[in-house]
Amino acid sequence: DAGITQSPRYKITETGRQVTLMCHQTWSHSYMFWYRQDLGHGLRLIYYSAAADITDKGEVPDGYVVSRSKTENFPLTLESATRSQTSVYFCASSDQGTKETQYFGPGTRLLVL
Amino acid sequence: GENVEQHPSTLSVQEGDSAVIKCTYSDSASNYFPWYKQELGKRPQLIIDIRSNVGEKKDQRIAVTLNKTAKHFSLHITETQPEDSAVYFCAAIYNNNDMRFGAGTRLTVKP
Repeated sequence: DAGITQSPRYKITETGRQVTLMCHQTWSHSYMFWYRQDLGHGLRLIYYSAAADITDKGEVPDGYVVSRSKTENFPLTLESATRSQTSVYFCASSDQGTKETQYFGPGTRLLVL
Repeated sequence: GENVEQHPSTLSVQEGDSAVIKCTYSDSASNYFPWYKQELGKRPQLIIDIRSNVGEKKDQRIAVTLNKTAKHFSLHITETQPEDSAVYFCAAIYNNNDMRFGAGTRLTVKP
C-alpha cells in the first residue's frame, strides 16, 4: 500500500478556486483511477487512465480535469471548486495484467467553503 | 450504465455469528465482482473477488457466491470477530474498466 500516495491529505479551499490533488504510484501500474466517496453513495469513479496520455471519463466527471503525462502520476484538478465537491478523494492503481484489482491510496479529504 | 445495489446498509451481529451482505447488479456483461473492506478513516482494501466463470470462492472465513442468472452476488463472513467491524463495499466492473460500487454495509461485530 505504501506504493501509492496522495497529497495533500487534507485541503480546505473556497468556492471558485482551482485545486489540484496529486497521486503517485511506484509500482509502474498502467491503470490509475480517481474516485470520490460521499456518505450514502459509496465510491464513484471520476476519471481513469489506461496509460500515459490516455484518459477516460467515469461516472461523475463534470467539474474535474485529469492528465497523465507520466505513468506514475495522475493529478486531479478541480478547475473552479464548488461546495458539492466537498468529499474524500481516493486514487487507485492496477496492473495491466490484473487490471480489475485496484489498490487504493490513503485518500484526500477536501472541504470547499 | 451499471447500477449496483447493496443490502443491508447496516448489520450488527454477535461475535462468532455469520454475516451475509448481498449485492445485485444490472449489466449482464459485468464479469468481475470484488469486495472491499474499509475501516474508519482508512482506504478501501480488497478482501476477496470473484469472476464470472466461478460460482463460489472461499478464503478462510470469507466467501463470495455469484449467481449470474439472477445478477446477484453475496459476501459471507463466518465466525465473525470484532476486527471484522468495518464498512464493506461490493462492486462490479462496467464497460471493462469502470468500476461501480454499492453504497456500503456497516458491519458491527459485538463482543
